[in-house]
Amino acid sequence: GESVGLHLPTLSVQEGDNSIINCAYSNSASDYFIWYKQESGKGPQFIIDIRSNMDKRQGQRVTVLLNKTVKHLSLQIAATQPGDSAVYFCAETGTASKLTFGTGTRLQVTL
Amino acid sequence: DAGVIQSPRHEVTEMGQEVTLRCKPISGHDYLFWYRQTMMRGLELLIYFNNNVPIDDSGMPEDRFSAKMPNASFSTLKIQPSEPRDSAVYFCASRRTGDSYEQYFGPGTRLTVT
Repeated sequence: GESVGLHLPTLSVQEGDNSIINCAYSNSASDYFIWYKQESGKGPQFIIDIRSNMDKRQGQRVTVLLNKTVKHLSLQIAATQPGDSAVYFCAETGTASKLTFGTGTRLQVTL
Repeated sequence: DAGVIQSPRHEVTEMGQEVTLRCKPISGHDYLFWYRQTMMRGLELLIYFNNNVPIDDSGMPEDRFSAKMPNASFSTLKIQPSEPRDSAVYFCASRRTGDSYEQYFGPGTRLTVT
């Protein structure tokens, strides 16, 4: 039969605008979360992390927000650039060893 | 510093052949992870090691897959016999106890089984 791949949600953003990528996680016991960026043909690359005792953490041009009540994580990218075009994954862990990855969101930056 | 090193970067083989993927973790890292990425299933953890000992292999699809870590600087993932459905990108990642839980990924091996 016909194979069906994962449907990757796609976010299209104009260069210079802010991007918000969302992630819902399932395990209420998860206590650590990471955002990864994966460019075409490369392995996932760490962007930013956050522990469950925090609700916000900022890095360079990126901010991660955590809402434990609704088990929601978001990644905000300020002043999006063409080099930000990639697939973004959230990952969670409760055991500190295994990471469980989400399905990913494709970010397309238009000029 | 060199990151995680994987070889080969690309592998094309015929169904039924044995395939061996190799990984060199970052020096000083005591955890090593093998993942498989496909369009159908996304990024899946196959197995991970701590101090060269397999800790969790529940993600290994079947007995055709095996992984070893003979020392702290080398690991292999073997598929025997290979099947077309094994076609995927295989990633190795490593991390060190005491750091954040960030895993450092290698560039991956793209496996095509015809």
